[in-house]
Amino acid sequence: ILNVEQSPQSLHVQEGDSTNFTCSFPSSNFYALHWYRWETAKSPEALFVMTLNGDEKKKGRISATLNTKEGYSYLYIKGSQPEDSATYLCASDSSYKLIFGSGTRLLVRP
Amino acid sequence: DSGVTQTPKHLITATGQRVTLRCSPRSGDLSVYWYQQSLDQGLQFLIQYYNGEERAKGNILERFSAQQFPDLHSELNLSSLELGDSALYFCASSVDSSGANVLTFGAGSRLTVL
Repeated sequence: ILNVEQSPQSLHVQEGDSTNFTCSFPSSNFYALHWYRWETAKSPEALFVMTLNGDEKKKGRISATLNTKEGYSYLYIKGSQPEDSATYLCASDSSYKLIFGSGTRLLVRP
Repeated sequence: DSGVTQTPKHLITATGQRVTLRCSPRSGDLSVYWYQQSLDQGLQFLIQYYNGEERAKGNILERFSAQQFPDLHSELNLSSLELGDSALYFCASSVDSSGANVLTFGAGSRLTVL
């Protein structure tokens, strides 16, 4: 089973700050990279799926990039809001196995 | 409501027992994934089915088994339960098994083994 690593483990920022997280994954047999947002007491919800090297996706203030050659993806949040507080998960798909990282827990203080 | 239905929501049982967790995928989705989230752990991949066939297997214990039925619902069977099996079990569905489509998660089944 491949390892998907996320950093930092947790992050506290002030409202209005921009922030970013990293997801590292093995680049061999790579097929797709997913990002999910997971609020406490809820289920993970999909943000993006990316497959091509250099892919960039954007949804509102959240965007993501993908580098398949070096095996990393960045998630950016511009102008963080308290409602952005959640755990952000990435997952790498290889050989039909979608393996999740441990997540980055974001807390945005008002 | 995500469209993925998991039952039961909560289950308390004793060590050595056997339980069955059920998942109905979102309408139109052919693929079902099972994940386990133990205390302070991330989502651990157990197994994936596509249109009734097993597609990929993760670190699923031999005491655990799963299947996907012709109507596409899936069941995860956990037997000879141990205290360490206490966890939140998520089912997720996707349109296909390619991995290029998002997963839609159910609300989870929380298993407590006493």
